[in-house]
Amino acid sequence: NAGVTQTPKFQVLKTGQSMTLQCAQDMNHNSMYWYRQDPGMGLRLIYYSASEGTTDKGEVPNGYNVSRLNKREFSLRLESAAPSQTSVYFCASRWDRLGYTFGSGTRLTVV
Amino acid sequence: QQPVQSPQAVILREGEDAVINCSSSKALYSVHWYRQKHGEAPVFLMILLKGGEQKGHEKISASFNEKKQQSSLYLTASQLSYSGTYFCGTEMAGGGADGLTFGKGTHLIIQP
Repeated sequence: NAGVTQTPKFQVLKTGQSMTLQCAQDMNHNSMYWYRQDPGMGLRLIYYSASEGTTDKGEVPNGYNVSRLNKREFSLRLESAAPSQTSVYFCASRWDRLGYTFGSGTRLTVV
Repeated sequence: QQPVQSPQAVILREGEDAVINCSSSKALYSVHWYRQKHGEAPVFLMILLKGGEQKGHEKISASFNEKKQQSSLYLTASQLSYSGTYFCGTEMAGGGADGLTFGKGTHLIIQP
Protein backbone atom coordinates (compact mmCIF):
# COMPACT_ATOMS: atom_id res chain seq x y z
CA ASN A 1 0.00 0.00 0.00
CA ALA A 2 2.67 2.50 -1.10
CA GLY A 3 0.39 5.29 -2.44
CA VAL A 4 2.50 7.80 -4.39
CA THR A 5 6.24 7.15 -4.65
CA GLN A 6 8.70 9.82 -5.74
CA THR A 7 12.37 9.45 -6.53
CA PRO A 8 14.87 10.77 -5.75
CA LYS A 9 14.24 12.38 -2.36
CA PHE A 10 17.16 14.78 -2.64
CA GLN A 11 19.19 16.05 -5.59
CA VAL A 12 21.84 18.68 -6.20
CA LEU A 13 22.40 19.79 -9.78
CA LYS A 14 24.74 22.20 -11.43
CA THR A 15 23.28 24.91 -13.63
CA GLY A 16 22.64 23.53 -17.09
CA GLN A 17 22.42 19.87 -16.06
CA SER A 18 19.32 17.84 -16.79
CA MET A 19 17.40 15.35 -14.69
CA THR A 20 14.10 13.50 -14.47
CA LEU A 21 11.96 13.26 -11.37
CA GLN A 22 10.02 10.02 -11.18
CA CYS A 23 6.55 9.50 -9.77
CA ALA A 24 4.45 6.35 -9.57
CA GLN A 25 1.11 5.63 -7.92
CA ASP A 26 -0.50 2.28 -7.18
CA MET A 27 -4.05 3.46 -6.47
CA ASN A 28 -5.37 3.23 -10.05
CA HIS A 29 -5.92 7.00 -10.11
CA ASN A 30 -6.59 8.63 -13.46
CA SER A 31 -5.22 12.09 -12.71
CA MET A 32 -1.67 13.00 -11.76
CA TYR A 33 -0.02 16.33 -10.98
CA TRP A 34 3.33 17.98 -10.45
CA TYR A 35 3.63 20.93 -8.04
CA ARG A 36 6.53 22.96 -6.80
CA GLN A 37 6.61 24.49 -3.34
CA ASP A 38 8.65 27.57 -2.51
CA PRO A 39 8.72 29.43 0.82
CA GLY A 40 5.78 31.81 1.13
CA MET A 41 4.36 30.81 -2.26
CA GLY A 42 2.26 27.80 -1.45
CA LEU A 43 2.05 24.99 -4.00
CA ARG A 44 2.07 25.94 -7.67
CA LEU A 45 0.98 23.61 -10.45
CA ILE A 46 3.62 22.83 -13.07
CA TYR A 47 1.92 20.22 -15.27
CA TYR A 48 -0.91 17.77 -14.93
CA SER A 49 -2.28 14.69 -16.65
CA ALA A 50 -6.03 14.25 -16.41
CA SER A 51 -5.81 10.74 -17.84
CA GLU A 52 -3.34 8.38 -19.44
CA GLY A 53 -2.15 9.82 -22.73
CA THR A 54 -2.88 13.47 -21.96
CA THR A 55 -0.79 16.21 -20.39
CA ASP A 56 -1.43 19.92 -19.91
CA LYS A 57 0.42 22.95 -18.65
CA GLY A 58 -0.29 24.38 -15.26
CA GLU A 59 0.59 27.75 -13.78
CA VAL A 60 4.42 27.54 -14.00
CA PRO A 61 5.41 25.15 -16.86
CA ASN A 62 8.43 27.01 -18.28
CA GLY A 63 11.64 25.01 -18.08
CA TYR A 64 9.87 21.69 -17.54
CA ASN A 65 8.53 18.80 -19.57
CA VAL A 66 6.45 15.82 -18.54
CA SER A 67 5.67 12.33 -19.71
CA ARG A 68 2.70 10.21 -18.70
CA LEU A 69 4.36 6.88 -19.36
CA ASN A 70 1.32 4.79 -18.39
CA LYS A 71 -1.50 5.03 -15.90
CA ARG A 72 0.86 4.57 -12.96
CA GLU A 73 3.81 6.77 -13.88
CA PHE A 74 4.19 10.51 -14.48
CA SER A 75 7.69 11.95 -14.80
CA LEU A 76 8.94 15.55 -14.71
CA ARG A 77 12.05 16.54 -16.67
CA LEU A 78 14.29 19.55 -16.28
CA GLU A 79 16.24 19.89 -19.53
CA SER A 80 18.65 22.62 -18.42
CA ALA A 81 18.40 23.32 -14.72
CA ALA A 82 18.52 26.90 -13.44
CA PRO A 83 18.93 28.20 -9.86
CA SER A 84 15.32 29.47 -10.03
CA GLN A 85 14.23 25.83 -10.16
CA THR A 86 15.57 25.18 -6.69
CA SER A 87 12.45 24.02 -4.89
CA VAL A 88 10.60 21.12 -3.34
CA TYR A 89 8.68 19.16 -5.95
CA PHE A 90 5.57 17.16 -5.11
CA CYS A 91 3.76 14.67 -7.25
CA ALA A 92 0.10 13.98 -6.48
CA SER A 93 -2.66 11.78 -7.80
CA ARG A 94 -6.39 11.54 -7.32
CA TRP A 95 -9.51 9.69 -8.33
CA ASP A 96 -11.95 11.83 -10.30
CA ARG A 97 -12.18 15.23 -8.54
CA LEU A 98 -11.60 13.99 -5.02
CA GLY A 99 -8.72 14.72 -2.65
CA TYR A 100 -5.07 14.49 -3.61
CA THR A 101 -2.62 11.92 -2.34
CA PHE A 102 0.85 13.47 -2.36
CA GLY A 103 4.22 11.81 -2.65
CA SER A 104 6.90 12.54 -0.08
CA GLY A 105 8.59 15.15 -2.29
CA THR A 106 11.95 15.78 -3.96
CA ARG A 107 14.19 18.50 -2.58
CA LEU A 108 16.12 19.91 -5.52
CA THR A 109 18.98 22.39 -5.27
CA VAL A 110 20.49 23.92 -8.39
CA VAL A 111 23.88 25.57 -7.87
CA GLN B 1 -6.31 32.90 -9.40
CA GLN B 2 -4.76 32.02 -6.09
CA PRO B 3 -7.22 31.91 -3.18
CA VAL B 4 -6.50 34.19 -0.25
CA GLN B 5 -6.03 32.64 3.16
CA SER B 6 -6.27 34.40 6.50
CA PRO B 7 -4.75 34.70 8.95
CA GLN B 8 -1.18 34.05 7.82
CA ALA B 9 -0.24 32.66 11.22
CA VAL B 10 -1.94 31.69 14.47
CA ILE B 11 -0.47 30.84 17.86
CA LEU B 12 -2.76 29.05 20.27
CA ARG B 13 -2.67 27.30 23.60
CA GLU B 14 -3.68 23.67 23.64
CA GLY B 15 -7.44 23.42 23.98
CA GLU B 16 -8.23 26.72 22.26
CA ASP B 17 -10.21 27.02 19.04
CA ALA B 18 -9.06 28.34 15.67
CA VAL B 19 -10.69 29.43 12.43
CA ILE B 20 -8.84 29.63 9.11
CA ASN B 21 -10.45 31.33 6.16
CA CYS B 22 -10.09 30.90 2.40
CA SER B 23 -11.67 33.14 -0.20
CA SER B 24 -11.73 33.15 -3.98
CA SER B 25 -12.75 35.70 -6.60
CA LYS B 26 -13.87 32.91 -8.93
CA ALA B 27 -16.90 30.64 -8.87
CA LEU B 28 -15.81 27.41 -7.23
CA TYR B 29 -16.69 23.77 -7.69
CA SER B 30 -14.90 22.64 -4.58
CA VAL B 31 -12.61 23.66 -1.76
CA HIS B 32 -10.04 21.26 -0.31
CA TRP B 33 -8.16 21.53 2.97
CA TYR B 34 -4.71 20.05 3.61
CA ARG B 35 -2.30 20.07 6.54
CA GLN B 36 1.44 19.97 6.09
CA LYS B 37 3.96 19.37 8.86
CA HIS B 38 7.49 20.62 8.49
CA GLY B 39 9.51 18.57 6.02
CA GLU B 40 6.55 16.38 5.07
CA ALA B 41 4.01 16.17 2.28
CA PRO B 42 0.60 17.82 2.55
CA VAL B 43 -2.11 15.51 3.85
CA PHE B 44 -5.71 15.71 2.70
CA LEU B 45 -8.18 16.69 5.44
CA MET B 46 -11.50 17.23 3.69
CA ILE B 47 -13.32 18.48 0.65
CA LEU B 48 -16.26 20.85 0.44
CA LEU B 49 -18.31 20.48 -2.71
CA LYS B 50 -20.59 23.04 -4.29
CA GLY B 51 -24.05 22.26 -3.08
CA GLY B 52 -22.67 19.86 -0.51
CA GLU B 53 -22.77 19.90 3.20
CA GLN B 54 -20.18 20.58 5.83
CA LYS B 55 -17.85 17.64 6.19
CA GLY B 56 -15.32 16.87 8.84
CA HIS B 57 -14.16 14.48 11.44
CA GLU B 58 -13.80 14.72 15.19
CA LYS B 59 -12.78 18.24 16.11
CA ILE B 60 -11.90 19.50 12.64
CA SER B 61 -14.72 20.69 10.42
CA ALA B 62 -15.29 23.14 7.59
CA SER B 63 -17.93 25.13 5.80
CA PHE B 64 -18.35 26.49 2.28
CA ASN B 65 -20.33 29.65 1.51
CA GLU B 66 -21.13 29.38 -2.20
CA LYS B 67 -22.52 32.89 -2.47
CA LYS B 68 -19.34 34.45 -1.13
CA GLN B 69 -16.96 31.77 -2.54
CA GLN B 70 -15.48 31.43 0.91
CA SER B 71 -14.57 28.46 3.06
CA SER B 72 -13.61 28.28 6.70
CA LEU B 73 -11.78 25.53 8.58
CA TYR B 74 -12.67 25.10 12.25
CA LEU B 75 -10.32 23.45 14.72
CA THR B 76 -12.01 22.86 18.05
CA ALA B 77 -10.18 22.23 21.31
CA SER B 78 -6.86 22.17 19.48
CA GLN B 79 -4.27 19.51 20.22
CA LEU B 80 -0.50 19.70 19.87
CA SER B 81 -0.75 17.42 16.85
CA TYR B 82 -2.74 20.10 14.99
CA SER B 83 0.37 22.22 14.56
CA GLY B 84 1.45 22.71 10.96
CA THR B 85 0.65 24.72 7.86
CA TYR B 86 -2.89 24.56 6.52
CA PHE B 87 -3.57 25.06 2.85
CA CYS B 88 -6.83 25.48 1.05
CA GLY B 89 -6.99 24.35 -2.55
CA THR B 90 -9.72 25.50 -4.88
CA GLU B 91 -11.17 24.05 -8.03
CA MET B 92 -13.09 26.20 -10.47
CA ALA B 93 -16.65 25.58 -11.50
CA GLY B 94 -16.72 24.08 -14.98
CA GLY B 95 -13.19 22.70 -14.78
CA GLY B 96 -12.34 19.06 -15.21
CA ALA B 97 -9.39 17.43 -13.51
CA ASP B 98 -7.38 20.60 -14.09
CA GLY B 99 -5.86 20.62 -10.67
CA LEU B 100 -6.17 22.66 -7.53
CA THR B 101 -4.96 26.19 -6.98
CA PHE B 102 -3.57 26.53 -3.49
CA GLY B 103 -3.46 29.45 -1.11
CA LYS B 104 -0.19 30.50 0.50
CA GLY B 105 -0.99 28.72 3.72
CA THR B 106 -1.74 29.47 7.36
CA HIS B 107 0.88 28.55 9.95
CA LEU B 108 -0.70 27.14 13.10
CA ILE B 109 1.38 26.75 16.25
CA ILE B 110 -0.14 25.01 19.26
CA GLN B 111 1.65 25.55 22.54
CA PRO B 112 1.23 23.37 25.64
